[in-house]
Amino acid sequence: GENVEQHPSTLSVQEGDSAVIKCTYSDSASNYFPWYKQELGKRPQLIIDIRSNVGEKKDQRIAVTLNKTAKHFSLHITETQPEDSAVYFCAAHSKAAGNKLTFGGGTRVLVKP
Amino acid sequence: DVKVTQSSRYLVKRTGEKVFLECVQDMDHENMFWYRQDPGLGLRLIYFSYDVKMKEKGDIPEGYSVSREKKERFSLILESASTNQTSMYLCATDLTGTGREKLFFGSGTQLSVL
Repeated sequence: GENVEQHPSTLSVQEGDSAVIKCTYSDSASNYFPWYKQELGKRPQLIIDIRSNVGEKKDQRIAVTLNKTAKHFSLHITETQPEDSAVYFCAAHSKAAGNKLTFGGGTRVLVKP
Repeated sequence: DVKVTQSSRYLVKRTGEKVFLECVQDMDHENMFWYRQDPGLGLRLIYFSYDVKMKEKGDIPEGYSVSREKKERFSLILESASTNQTSMYLCATDLTGTGREKLFFGSGTQLSVL
């Protein structure tokens, strides 16, 4: 089955700096890669996603990049703000491996004012 | 808007008890999922259902069962609760209604087994 590894597990950045979270996946058949943000005490929410036929996608201050050859993808947050403090989860979806999402272990991001 | 409601926010049970976690969605969606969330382990899929009375095992089904008698309701059952099942349980459906990719989660049930 699919295995998704996420690094780092915790990340502390100064407000205004950039944050980068990296994930690797094992199943070359995976073709959809979403990112979820979970604020303290709240449900995980989908914030951005990318499909395997695209190398990069941006939405305001967040962007995702995908390297299919190396089987890794990353979340980039620029000009971080205190409201970016949360736990972020990457995931990979493979129709071949059970047609389900497999999540990484999560990254706790703290933006210091 | 999609709405996924989990019946309890916090639950405390004793070892050996039978535990029911309930989840209701109001969008007539086909697919529903149960995940558990543990620090450092992310979200792990327990079971999912793609139609009434239909279910599939996820990655960690041992010690759990599910029931989907009506399309809007998906129940997770712990037949004999154990301390290692203390966790946050999250129910989800797919935002598109028919897919298994864009998940919308409920608020979660924090279960403590003593």
